[in-house]
Amino acid sequence: EAQVTQNPRYLITVTGKKLTVTCSQNMNHEYMSWYRQDPGLGLRQIYYSMNVEVTDKGDVPEGYKVSRKEKRNFPLILESPSPNQTSLYFCASNAGTPGSYEQYFGPGTRLTVT
Amino acid sequence: AQSVTQLGSHVSVSEGALVLLRCNYSSSVPPYLFWYVQYPNQGLQLLLKYTTGATLVKGINGFEAEFKKSETSFHLTKPSAHMSDAAEYFCAVSEGRNTGNQFYFGTGTSLTVIP
Repeated sequence: EAQVTQNPRYLITVTGKKLTVTCSQNMNHEYMSWYRQDPGLGLRQIYYSMNVEVTDKGDVPEGYKVSRKEKRNFPLILESPSPNQTSLYFCASNAGTPGSYEQYFGPGTRLTVT
Repeated sequence: AQSVTQLGSHVSVSEGALVLLRCNYSSSVPPYLFWYVQYPNQGLQLLLKYTTGATLVKGINGFEAEFKKSETSFHLTKPSAHMSDAAEYFCAVSEGRNTGNQFYFGTGTSLTVIP
């Protein structure tokens, strides 16, 4: 089954404790992205990647890091989480080819930072 | 920079009534347009998309949308609302490889269906 998986689905942590949210896709997509969803703000892009070792900042990159060492994986790293990073996070991928620009989303990771 | 505006953060309709969710965008080039639906505690699911060709596109669950270039709009409609349509709906735009395949989302419209 074609899918984007994220882990963990739920995470409660404390300020300053480094964490990683994993994302993996099995569709051989070139493009992958991370978004955060907050009430009234919709989805805002954190980082995106156009291919292995190629990443770029989205609209809200502060406080986040990413890496793309393999095509299928795109982990999101919070080196020193803060309460304002409490949010719902989505990973997404897409093929980026004509007729196939739609994003495929993971199930989401709900992060709470206390 | 691209932007997507969804008029009405909350829309309520009666069961069986027309659903109309509005989306306007700004883009300097012909865009690719999408509607996604998010049910409670779930991820986003693609409802429909416009890339090229016919400007009236049909999606899943009886939804359709029309791309109107002159109005820079991509409104979502469904002739008859069902209770199961209650969800959050997001409009999104992309300029494809021109901008690194980035997506821009509206702030969402929460649809309530009244029995």
